[in-house]
Amino acid sequence: EAQVTQNPRYLITVTGKKLTVTCSQNMNHEYMSWYRQDPGLGLRQIYYSMNVEVTDKGDVPEGYKVSRKEKRNFPLILESPSPNQTSLYFCASSTRTSGVTYEQYFGPGTRLTVT
Amino acid sequence: SQKIEQNSEALNIQEGKTATLTCNYTNYSPAYLQWYRQDPGRGPVFLLLIRENEKEKRKERLKVTFDTTLKQSLFHITASQPADSATYLCALDSAGSGGYQKVTFGTGTKLQVIP
Repeated sequence: EAQVTQNPRYLITVTGKKLTVTCSQNMNHEYMSWYRQDPGLGLRQIYYSMNVEVTDKGDVPEGYKVSRKEKRNFPLILESPSPNQTSLYFCASSTRTSGVTYEQYFGPGTRLTVT
Repeated sequence: SQKIEQNSEALNIQEGKTATLTCNYTNYSPAYLQWYRQDPGRGPVFLLLIRENEKEKRKERLKVTFDTTLKQSLFHITASQPADSATYLCALDSAGSGGYQKVTFGTGTKLQVIP
């Protein structure tokens, strides 16, 4: 089954404790992306990756890191989480051809709470 | 600055009527625009993609128009049903800081279809 998986689904942590949210897709997609979703602010892009070793900042990259060492995986790293990073996080993947990022497949989401 | 606006936060319509949702953008020149559906607590699901040279696209009860002069897309659901109740998001591409193409989402319109 074609899917994007994220782990963990729920996480409660404390300020400053480094964490990683994993994302994996089994569709051989080139394009992968991380979003956060907050009430009233919608879905905002954190980082995206065009392919292995190619990443770029989205609209809200501060406080986050990513890496793309393998095509299927795109982990999101919070080196020193703060309460303002409490949010619902989504990973997505997509094919990309001739300059068009086609339909994005989204993971189930990770609800992160930083106290 | 670049901005994507979706007509209203919430839209209530009677079952059987046509729902029309609006997506307006400023300071973008998107090559294409996408519409997604999102149910509470779940990741968005792709519905339709329309390119800048296409005026209209249809899929079953869904119809999307794209007017690059008005910088607007309209999303129609005909013969609406309570099961269509969800939040609908438009998304379009833009140049990222690294010169790559990123995808930006509007804040969404929550549609409620009343039986």
